[in-house]
Amino acid sequence: DTGVSQDPRHKITKRGQNVTFRCDPISEHNRLYWYRQTLGQGPEFLTYFQNEAQLEKSRLLSDRFSAERPKGSFSTLEIQRTEQGDSAMYLCASSLLMGSRGYTFGSGTRLTVV
Amino acid sequence: ILNVEQSPQSLHVQEGDSTNFTCSFPSSNFYALHWYRWETAKSPEALFVMTLNGDEKKKGRISATLNTKEGYSYLYIKGSQPEDSATYLCAPLIYNQGGKLIFGQGTELSVKP
Repeated sequence: DTGVSQDPRHKITKRGQNVTFRCDPISEHNRLYWYRQTLGQGPEFLTYFQNEAQLEKSRLLSDRFSAERPKGSFSTLEIQRTEQGDSAMYLCASSLLMGSRGYTFGSGTRLTVV
Repeated sequence: ILNVEQSPQSLHVQEGDSTNFTCSFPSSNFYALHWYRWETAKSPEALFVMTLNGDEKKKGRISATLNTKEGYSYLYIKGSQPEDSATYLCAPLIYNQGGKLIFGQGTELSVKP
């Protein structure tokens, strides 16, 4: 297993466009998390899955954001009608259960909305 | 919203200096405390997962202590090296906050040769 993979690494999009990011977690990990990080801040929780079930979604997240994890494997995060404020690093992480050995993070997707 | 405070926000030290950072978190409903190192252009990497009050963990020149009763953890780096330059993040796992980590804003360490 090569760790957590995220695609693409970088995305530049025009305001109003839709974007979709993909995350492939470690295969044995049943939990998958999405975080967003902006300059000078720590990663901010967006949502997480246990297997295919989405267990929690941040109240800070607007309806323009949606995430899926079909069949409990890879996950996608879609942002509709992007805004400049959506520009950030989007991080995916996975863990076994509650993460007693820590989370394993991907390298992130850097989104720039112009 | 859970309040996780890290201090200082940034630190500049010379190679060979020892340094320490603080992470403060709510002490009630505590489950675990994670520390991560995040180097530029890389993924955050887990350093420690700590659960017991009074616990101390060590990894090479880096060590961490935990006080769950008062809600704080210290991270120490002995004899800092340029390769230690990174952002250090702490994140508690709290029972009534669901099953996810809540991160502090991080401490950015820069070690000059």
